[in-house]
Amino acid sequence: GAVVSQHPSRVICKSGTSVKIECRSLDFQATTMFWYRQFPKKSLMLMATSNEGSKATYEQGVEKDKFLINHASLTLSTLTVTSAHPEDSSFYICSARDSEGGDSYEQYFGPGTRLTVT
Amino acid sequence: GQNIDQPTEMTATEGAIVQINCTYQTSGFNGLFWYQQHAGEAPTFLSYNVLDGLEEKGRFSSFLSRSKGYSYLLLKELQMKDSASYLCAVRDSNYQLIWGAGTKLIIKP
Repeated sequence: GAVVSQHPSRVICKSGTSVKIECRSLDFQATTMFWYRQFPKKSLMLMATSNEGSKATYEQGVEKDKFLINHASLTLSTLTVTSAHPEDSSFYICSARDSEGGDSYEQYFGPGTRLTVT
Repeated sequence: GQNIDQPTEMTATEGAIVQINCTYQTSGFNGLFWYQQHAGEAPTFLSYNVLDGLEEKGRFSSFLSRSKGYSYLLLKELQMKDSASYLCAVRDSNYQLIWGAGTKLIIKP
């Protein structure tokens, strides 16, 4: 099956610093990637839809200047958490849709990144 | 508004059968998905239903009734490794996935 990787898997950073998370589709091209956030014992919350070569579409309530998304190629999207605060600590998950999949129903998820801001 | 309901937690015995229900109210419907998520890991795809009826895949089956806005995931011959959260998600008219809060399934020996 299709594989999506995320890097890093875990990161601890100090308050006020920025952290970049990478999401890569390893064996397929992904025009569209999705970034989710998940709090403990809660469901996934869609933060933004990342489109290759264009600006990301952010969900209501998500600060685009704080969560910078770049989708520079068909296999890579990055999420940068700027000026991180402890409340940004969370599990961040990306997913990707295969561009060649037509109306493919499946999103392929990365393994997630655990961010802890101290 | 859009809403997906599923039980918060269920307990079952190893070797038994369990049914996890999901009801939904969404803006349009373009398919319903079930995902399994172990603690600290990303979700993994289990099943997809877009037409009414039962889809069987090994020990797991998923049922859909679009007229009732209802689905269930049926797990047979439960194993300890099936202890996980099971997420129901509906793809709406904009092809966005709307997620339920997940059902934590606890398997006891």
